[in-house]
Parts: sequence; structure tokens; C-alpha cells
Amino acid sequence: QVQLVQSGAEMKKPGASVKVSCKASGYTFTDYFIHWVRQAPGQGLEWMGWINPNSGATNSPQRFRGTVTMTRGTSISTAYMELSRLTSDDTAIYYCARESEDEAFDLWGPGTMVTVSS
Amino acid sequence: QSVLTQPPSVSGAPGQRVTISCTGSSSNLGAGYAVHWYQQLPAAAPKLLIYGNHNRPLGVPARFSASKSGTSASLAITGLQAEDEADYYCQSYDTSLSYSRVFGGGTKLTVL
Repeated sequence: QVQLVQSGAEMKKPGASVKVSCKASGYTFTDYFIHWVRQAPGQGLEWMGWINPNSGATNSPQRFRGTVTMTRGTSISTAYMELSRLTSDDTAIYYCARESEDEAFDLWGPGTMVTVSS
Repeated sequence: QSVLTQPPSVSGAPGQRVTISCTGSSSNLGAGYAVHWYQQLPAAAPKLLIYGNHNRPLGVPARFSASKSGTSASLAITGLQAEDEADYYCQSYDTSLSYSRVFGGGTKLTVL
């Protein structure tokens, strides 16, 4: 079954870091980019960046550079997104998504809720 | 402020037709980049609805269609059903600043 499975909900204090995992199954992990998208409560979708699972290359918008680190473990078909220096504004559901050959996000993980609160 | 502009909400009665617009600029839709559409049901992850401007993935009903022209795109839903009540997002590629992928702000569809 082709799917992305994400790690469970996290609760963190301001200033801490969080690492979310995204395990791919049912397809060749290194054949498709993995993107990270977040959604704050009641808000829209915000693109955070991508990782090329084959090379490990990453790209993210300027606003996330310095706080977002994307990595992968090819032997276990898993992508990771680490967000550091958390603030309450980082409270959101974090999704991983696979990018198809048509550059659409054709497969989504179920999401990981990250709550940042003191 | 989203790079792609969508109306915050639209509504329609069962059986009717509704459209959702997505307006971009010369750095995204106007540059020829494809637009994709996603449906997000309540408390669920987004799901790909339309890719490459007008293509439906397997399993998406033909009631859903989309088009793109210049800096604008639109999603049409005919024969509206209660199960269509959801948030809809357009998404594309953008070359301005350091953006790569961009989303519209989302449109809440209410089935009356």
C-alpha cells in the first residue's frame, strides 16, 4: 500500500526543537521529492520546503532557513523535518507530501500535531 | 497574504454548480507554471483533486473540473453534493524571492 506514515503528536516548550518523521512505503522512496507543509489552527496551508531523498539536497523559503532542517534515512525510507527555536506561532499540523512527476503533491501523510506552549 | 488569491468562501445548494477562482501573477501562473487543486475535508489531510491545470487523478469524480488561463485558474464543481463541503486550495510554482511552491489561501465551500 502506497502511503506516508508520520510520527505522533508532540508538545514542546518555547525555544525547544521538534523532529517529525515521515515513513514512505509502497514505492521507491528515492524516486520522489518529499515536501513539508504546515497548517496552523484555522489557517491555510504553508509550504516549508522539500528534500530530494536521493541526493539529500533541500530547499526552503527564506523565512524557514536557519530554523528548518530536512534530512532523510534512505535505508528506512524515512524523511525528517526538524524545527528549532520553537515559538507559539509554530503550533500547527505538519504534513509531509510526495511530489509526483507532474509536480503535484499526490500523496500526503496524515499530519503531525505540534503544540508549542509554556 | 497568499501569493495565490482565492475567495475565502463560496456556497451552493445541492445539485448546483460552483466555481472557485485562483488568481496569481507573472511569477507563477502567468509564467506558465501548472496549477494543482487540493480538497481538504474536515479534520483530514489534503487530497489531490486536480493536477496539471485540468487533470483528474484516478477516483476523482468527473463533477470536478478545472482550467487555467494566463494568471488565473478556476475549479468547477457541478452537481454539488453534501460530501463536497470542504476547503479547497490551489497550488503552483513561483519564481519570486526564494519561493518554490505556493498555495492559495484556501476557499471554504459550504453546501447549503
